[in-house]
Order: sequence, then structure tokens, then C-alpha cells
Amino acid sequence: GQNIDQPTEMTATEGAIVQINCTYQTSGFNGLFWYQQHAGEAPTFLSYNVLDGLEEKGRFSSFLSRSKGYSYLLLKELQMKDSASYLCAAASGGSYIPTFGRGTSLIVHP
Amino acid sequence: DTGVSQDPRHKITKRGQNVTFRCDPISEHNRLYWYRQTLGQGPEFLTYFQNEAQLEKSRLLSDRFSAERPKGSFSTLEIQRTEQGDSAMYLCASSSSTGYYEQYFGPGTRLTVT
Repeated sequence: GQNIDQPTEMTATEGAIVQINCTYQTSGFNGLFWYQQHAGEAPTFLSYNVLDGLEEKGRFSSFLSRSKGYSYLLLKELQMKDSASYLCAAASGGSYIPTFGRGTSLIVHP
Repeated sequence: DTGVSQDPRHKITKRGQNVTFRCDPISEHNRLYWYRQTLGQGPEFLTYFQNEAQLEKSRLLSDRFSAERPKGSFSTLEIQRTEQGDSAMYLCASSSSTGYYEQYFGPGTRLTVT
């Protein structure tokens, strides 16, 4: 099986930077995903990392360390609309189907 | 393209009844996934199709759950003899073979079993 661990809740200020950490334990690692889910809505894809390092996409960046079983999602220049749940997920074995963690609820306040 | 659609959006049923949900993926996507999500949890994988073939099914999935994708386009998920524990949001997602890692989710069907 897989074990995904991420903080339950984080708060941050508009305009600031926040880092959401995720650790995972899995065999046959096939990649690490981040999804964003606003309350009452479906998840939307943010990033997929399979190699070590940082990948930047606009205000969002995702980092992966395979040897440490660790990833983070970095959000810069926070906006109120970034208030959402951020889901970390890992794929393993022969499939690329993500196993999701419980998500981190991010609250951005003025 | 209008994205992934699901029908119905809400379903209330009595315990013991059967329910069926439909998912229409993005038209050019050949991969289709079903998940279940309860409050405060991430989506839990149920099953996966590539074209019409069901390639993977969660070991946690009860025999009361069955899914089909007869022509490799839309899919249906049926739950027989529903139980209160089946109450959840049922999410469908699709992806392409080349962009397999990026799943597009539908709005979900919220099931309430009374």
C-alpha cells in the first residue's frame, strides 16, 4: 500500500509565500501529483513530478526528492482565490493512478 | 469541448436500492477513472478503464459495485443494495494516453443513502 502524509490545515496572508509539504511511502514509485480542490468543486491538476528537482509553473512550483520520499508545493504571491484544499498524491507499481492524501486546507486571509 | 460531465449531480436513495451513475469523458480521452470522496478525505480510487477494457479495480471495492464502458466512450457505475456507508461524492475523471498523468475531473455525483 501507500502512505501519504500532509498537514491538515495551513493559513497564510495574501501576497505571501506558502509551502505545503508532503511525505510519501510507496514501492515502485511512478510519480507525485498535486491537485487543487475548491470547496464543493472537483479537483484540478496542478503538477506531476517524476524526477528529482523543482518544476515551476507560474505562481506555483512543485519539488520532489525521491530518496527522501518528500515533495512540496510552493505558492507565491498568494491570492484570496488560492484558498482551497491541496491534494498530494503518489502513483506506484505499474499504473499511473494517483493515491491521494487527505489534502491540506489552505486559508488565505487579507 | 465541454469537459467531463456526470449525471445525475445529486441522488438520494433509500438503503437497499440500486443506483446507477453516468460519466461522459472528454471525447478524445481513452482513459476513464472512477473515484469516491468523503468529507475531509482525498479521492479514493475505485476503477480504471482504457477504452472499453476495465484494467484495474480497487481491492477495497465491494462486489456490490460494478462499472462498465461498453463502447469506450461513456461509463456507468452501478451500486447494488446501497448502504449508508456508500454516501459520498462519486467522481469521474479522464485522461489521454499521452497526457496520462493529467486527469480531468467531472463535477461529481453526490449520493445520499437514507
